[in-house]
Amino acid sequence: AQSVTQLDSQVPVFEEAPVELRCNYSSSVSVYLFWYVQYPNQGLQLLLKYLSGSTLVESINGFEAEFNKSQTSFHLRKPSVHISDTAEYFCAVSANTNAGKSTFGDGTTLTVKP
Amino acid sequence: DTGVSQDPRHKITKRGQNVTFRCDPISEHNRLYWYRQTLGQGPEFLTYFQNEAQLEKSRLLSDRFSAERPKGSFSTLEIQRTEQGDSAMYLCASSFAGRGNNYGYTFGSGTRLTVV
Repeated sequence: AQSVTQLDSQVPVFEEAPVELRCNYSSSVSVYLFWYVQYPNQGLQLLLKYLSGSTLVESINGFEAEFNKSQTSFHLRKPSVHISDTAEYFCAVSANTNAGKSTFGDGTTLTVKP
Repeated sequence: DTGVSQDPRHKITKRGQNVTFRCDPISEHNRLYWYRQTLGQGPEFLTYFQNEAQLEKSRLLSDRFSAERPKGSFSTLEIQRTEQGDSAMYLCASSFAGRGNNYGYTFGSGTRLTVV
């Protein structure tokens, strides 16, 4: 079984500041890792994913996440945030042997202030 | 492609009544998932289908819950004898999975169930 811990439930930052949303996972098998974003009054959207290959993955809107197998982490970062990045972010993991269900963290609310 | 559609968006029901939700996935996707989300928590896995076969069902799911995906197209989730603890957002997602890979979900907007 897999589990996910998102270490911060709320992260307030000022516009144009850097941000890191932390995610740790546990699993006895190799995993796929995902970040989803939920903007206010919208559904969950896939932001980025790690399946294999390069441990650094990027989204189209400037976020990146790095898979660190030794630390079992998949932290999400952005060097300069915008007001429009205000949302709830969920980290998720699935076993690459089964690749069926994903296990989600409880989310981190990112609030970007002007 | 219109994405993943869920119907209804909201459902208010009295305790003890049965409810049924529908999900229409992206047509090219062979997997369909049901999750439940309550306030302050992440989505919790309920069940998933590959085509028409139900491959896994959460042990947390009581016998009051049943899901079907006839002909591998749309899916329904039925809750019998609803309880107040069933109040939650019910999310449907679909994905394409090949060679055991999970390429990430496309979620619907969810059905918010309130049991009074």
